[in-house]
Amino acid sequence: EVQLVESGGGLVKPGESLRLSCAASGFTFNDAWMSWVRQAPGKGLDWVGRIRSKTDGGTTDYAAPVKGRFTISRDDSKNTLYLQMNSLKTEDTAVYYCATDGGSNWGQGTLVTVSS
Amino acid sequence: QSALTQPASVSGSPGQSITISCTGTSSDVGAYNHVSWFQQHPGKAPKLMIFDVSNRPSGVSDRFSGSKSGNTASLTISGLQAEDEADYYCNSYTTSSTRVFGGGTKLTVL
Repeated sequence: EVQLVESGGGLVKPGESLRLSCAASGFTFNDAWMSWVRQAPGKGLDWVGRIRSKTDGGTTDYAAPVKGRFTISRDDSKNTLYLQMNSLKTEDTAVYYCATDGGSNWGQGTLVTVSS
Repeated sequence: QSALTQPASVSGSPGQSITISCTGTSSDVGAYNHVSWFQQHPGKAPKLMIFDVSNRPSGVSDRFSGSKSGNTASLTISGLQAEDEADYYCNSYTTSSTRVFGGGTKLTVL
């Protein structure tokens, strides 16, 4: 059974940093392209970014609002995906989901609140 | 990249069919056959219902179907059931190698 479990969410102040993790199991993680998607309270889904598999270059793509502030990485030895979020803004407040890039599998999400 | 355009809400009675549209541009919906549809119930993670315009993942009811014409994709749900009441989002790959979601459509089963 495929499982994606996010962790690391919490309350931070504007300008601070936070790192989210996503532990994967039940599939060949190192072959998977992985994405982060967020959802602000009461709002729609918002694509954050993606990381390709190492065999496909391990490169990343980001949505414009987070480019330069967020970094996606992976540790295939730990079957774990990461989202490093720097210079956080109040508008980054959302539930953050990790998902396989095509959207077949999603985690339960972790809430990030950016507030002073 | 602007969000794809979906109607804010649609409704239908049990047994009826409804269609949700998703309008983008030649840089996303119109560029590739990589349009997906997701269903999301309140408080739950999204669920993939359609991928690559018209393909259903294993386990998804054949009451759900997808199509595309030009820059507009569509999701049709036939034989509406109470459990279909949810939010639906389209998603497309873009020419910038990113993905973009639609604003979401709330489906109400009357």
